[in-house]
Formats: sequence, C-alpha cells, structure tokens
Amino acid sequence: DQQVKQNSPSLSVQEGRISILNCDYTNSMFDYFLWYKKYPAEGPTFLISISSIKDKNEDGRFTVFLNKSAKHLSLHIVPSQPGDSAVYFCAASLGGSQGNLIFGKGTKLSVKP
Amino acid sequence: DTGVSQNPRHKITKRGQNVTFRCDPISEHNRLYWYRQTLGQGPEFLTYFQNEAQLEKSRLLSDRFSAERPKGSFSTLEIQRTEQGDSAMYLCASSLATVTYGYTFGSGTRLTVV
Repeated sequence: DQQVKQNSPSLSVQEGRISILNCDYTNSMFDYFLWYKKYPAEGPTFLISISSIKDKNEDGRFTVFLNKSAKHLSLHIVPSQPGDSAVYFCAASLGGSQGNLIFGKGTKLSVKP
Repeated sequence: DTGVSQNPRHKITKRGQNVTFRCDPISEHNRLYWYRQTLGQGPEFLTYFQNEAQLEKSRLLSDRFSAERPKGSFSTLEIQRTEQGDSAMYLCASSLATVTYGYTFGSGTRLTVV
C-alpha cells in the first residue's frame, strides 16, 4: 500500500514552458511534504517543502501547491530549463518525533531545448 | 564541509558475504538516516539516529542488518549473509533536528550481490 503516489513515471516539456509534477497521498496525518530532485549517480537533493497548514510555497522558479481535501500536491517549475531534467520525488512526513520520510516512486522530467 | 560522504561508492559481493558501508554526515547535523533505493522505486526508510541513539527502525531492517553511530559522528550499516535481494543503492542522509528543512543526502553506495 503506497501512501505517496506519483502516477506519472515520466514527463516531457519544452524549454521555457511550465512543468507540472503531481503527487497524491493517502495518509491524512502527514503534516509536511517535500520535493527532491535526483540526477543520475547522485543522491536526492532537497528542492522545496510545504507545511500542511499552507496551500502554497514559492521559491524562485519552483512553486508547490497543496490541496488537503484532495490529498494532492503539485510542483510547478516555470520556466523549465534543460538543467531541470532529473527525477523528481515527492515525500511526506508524519512529523513529531518520527524521523522518516515516505517517498513516491518519482517522475522523470525531460526538458527539451 | 563537503556534505554527506559515503564509502564505498560501489560494492560487489558474493551471496552470503558480509558487507559494511560507512557514512560521514555533515558535522553539525545531529540526525543521520539510512535509506535504500531499488530500481524504479523511491528511497525507503531503514533507520535513523539522533546523535548516537538509534530512534527508529523500519520493518525492512531485518535481523541481518545492523547500524551503528558511535559517538554520534559517522555511521556504519552492516549487512550479514547478503542475499541477491539486498542489491540496491544505500543512501545516507543527515539533518538538523527537524525534517522541515530537508535532509542532505550522500551519493549512496551501490551494492550488487552476485
């Protein structure tokens, strides 16, 4: 039973356009959500996060939206650049004293010049 | 500080052998985590330490797996009697006390059991 789901294994976008990566979750107790980016042969790199008490968080070209009623979050990248091509993982935390993150399977983004 | 360092980067071992991986976290980070990632999957939590105390272990961490973090500095992950199903990327991460800032991951140790 996957608690964090990324249903699109891959996404291809033209340079300069918007990339939208989606993530659904099942556990309403998650209180923090994070996005990580991973290049081949490297570990995941933290990108942006959002608390469950917010519905939007923005950092430069990256914006994360949270819809708690739909148990859905999305990452928007505007404008997309070829260097954004990577695998993007959505992760969720139960917070408190629990240390672990629960990751989705990832979405591979390809940004074409 | 060069980030989270993991050694070795690659390890090939025969089934039944024991292997040990090392992780050196960012020096001021008091939390250290181990994750495992197989092909096509996201990282799966194995265990984490706050300073030298192991606070949480996943049920994925069978009796053949043991992790230590002596003196709250580096950590080792040992797998005894390796099986082919243990083949994966083993990722270490560190953070300050809360996940809200995001972990910093190392580049991982890729284990292949033949």
